[in-house]
Amino acid sequence: QVQLVESGGDVVQPGRSLRLSCATSGFTFTTYGVHWVRQAPGKGLEWVAGISYDGSEKYYADSVKGRFSISRDISKNTLYLQLDSLNSGDTALYYCARESGAHGSLPRFDHWGQGTLVTVSS
Amino acid sequence: EIVMTQSPATLSVSPGERATLSCRASQSVSSSLAWYQQKPGQAPRLLIYGASTRATGIPARFSGSGSGTEFTLTISSLQSEDFAVYYCQQYKSWPPLTFGGGTKVEIK
Repeated sequence: QVQLVESGGDVVQPGRSLRLSCATSGFTFTTYGVHWVRQAPGKGLEWVAGISYDGSEKYYADSVKGRFSISRDISKNTLYLQLDSLNSGDTALYYCARESGAHGSLPRFDHWGQGTLVTVSS
Repeated sequence: EIVMTQSPATLSVSPGERATLSCRASQSVSSSLAWYQQKPGQAPRLLIYGASTRATGIPARFSGSGSGTEFTLTISSLQSEDFAVYYCQQYKSWPPLTFGGGTKVEIK
């Protein structure tokens, strides 16, 4: 079955960096776009970044553009999110989520991980 | 950026009753609209996509309607497991993908 498992969340000081991972299994990694969505404590969902099924396109929310970087390792079926210049507004549970259709169909998300918590605090 | 607005913020419903949740887009998203359910401590679950198509395994008591800028999620007869927060998401024009602020369905 399809699984996405996030890791790498931690408590970090403002201005520091962190790398999140999302290990996937149960589907062909190179045929589905995958995204990061975050949720601040007690708040709603905010899309952060996405990468196309073939890895050729990367997309970012304005709030993280220039600070976060999405990438993937197809040999490990793993998605990454590099978070730089963190601030308190980045404190959230970070989910990875898979698009529901293969080969670049419309990005709604049918499988989600359980999330990894990033806390930015001095 | 397309802004998604959900109403009401909280809906109090008795078990067995019908619940109607609204989602409005700041500009037309055609039928590129999804609904998710999120329970405490859990990841969101896809309920509806294409505004009205139920995702795999979703019970028939969940239905979606609308197009353009106005959308509705209806739960025909609320079960205990349906009390949760519901989000709409547009995927017509992106980036960014945008979600509504959510509607919490609570027990009356």
